[in-house]
Amino acid sequence: DVKVTQSSRYLVKRTGEKVFLECVQDMDHENMFWYRQDPGLGLRLIYFSYDVKMKEKGDIPEGYSVSREKKERFSLILESASTNQTSMYLCASSFSGQGNYGYTFGSGTRLTVV
Amino acid sequence: DAKTTQPNSMESNEEEPVHLPCNHSTISGTDYIHWYRQLPSQGPEYVIHGLTSNVNNRMASLAIAEDRKSSTLILHRATLRDAAVYYCILRVWAYSGAGSYQLTFGKGTKLSVIP
Repeated sequence: DVKVTQSSRYLVKRTGEKVFLECVQDMDHENMFWYRQDPGLGLRLIYFSYDVKMKEKGDIPEGYSVSREKKERFSLILESASTNQTSMYLCASSFSGQGNYGYTFGSGTRLTVV
Repeated sequence: DAKTTQPNSMESNEEEPVHLPCNHSTISGTDYIHWYRQLPSQGPEYVIHGLTSNVNNRMASLAIAEDRKSSTLILHRATLRDAAVYYCILRVWAYSGAGSYQLTFGKGTKLSVIP
C-alpha cells in the first residue's frame, strides 16, 4: 500500500524550541506539501516542494521553513516555536506534470506548543 | 483564488443516497474538480475527480453541471463509515515555472450519518 508517513502522531514542545516535523513518501512523487489544519479555518498550505532542494511558499509560510534534501523526504521546521503554532500538521504528496493526479496525505502530527 | 462553496453540514440516514453539492462559479476551462474526505483523526483521502463528464468509481459518483459552475458528489448508500468532512476543491495550475498544481481546501461539508 502506498504511503505518506509522518514521523510523530503527537508532539509537545516548549515555546522557543526548534521543532522538526518529518514526512516520508514511498511513491516516487515529485511534489510534497505541508498544510496546517485549525478548527474553523480548514487546511491551509504552508510550503510545498516540486523537486529536491526546491520550495515554494504557500499561503501561510511565516514562522516556518522547509527542507527537501531527498526526493522522498520533506521536513517542516519551526525555527522558534510559538503557542500560535499549536495545530494539526498534514503532509501530502503527488505526481506533477500535466496528468490529473490526486494527493496522498499522511495521518497528521498534532503539535502542542506550551 | 479559485473558490468553492459548500454547505457547512448535512445529515443523511444510513443506507440512503447522499447528494453533496458544490458551487464553483469562477472555474476556468482547465480546472479539474476534486473531492476529498477527511475521517475523524485522519488526513484527507482522495474520493473522485472530474473535468466535464460525470464520473463513477467504487467510492462515489460525481455529477458535473453542463456549465461546470457546480457539481454534486453522490454517495449511493451512506454507511456510518461515510461520516466525514467532504471537501470540494478546484485543482488549478498555480506555479507555471515549477510545473505544479495546487489544491486549495475550503471548510468542507460535515456529513453526519444517522443509524
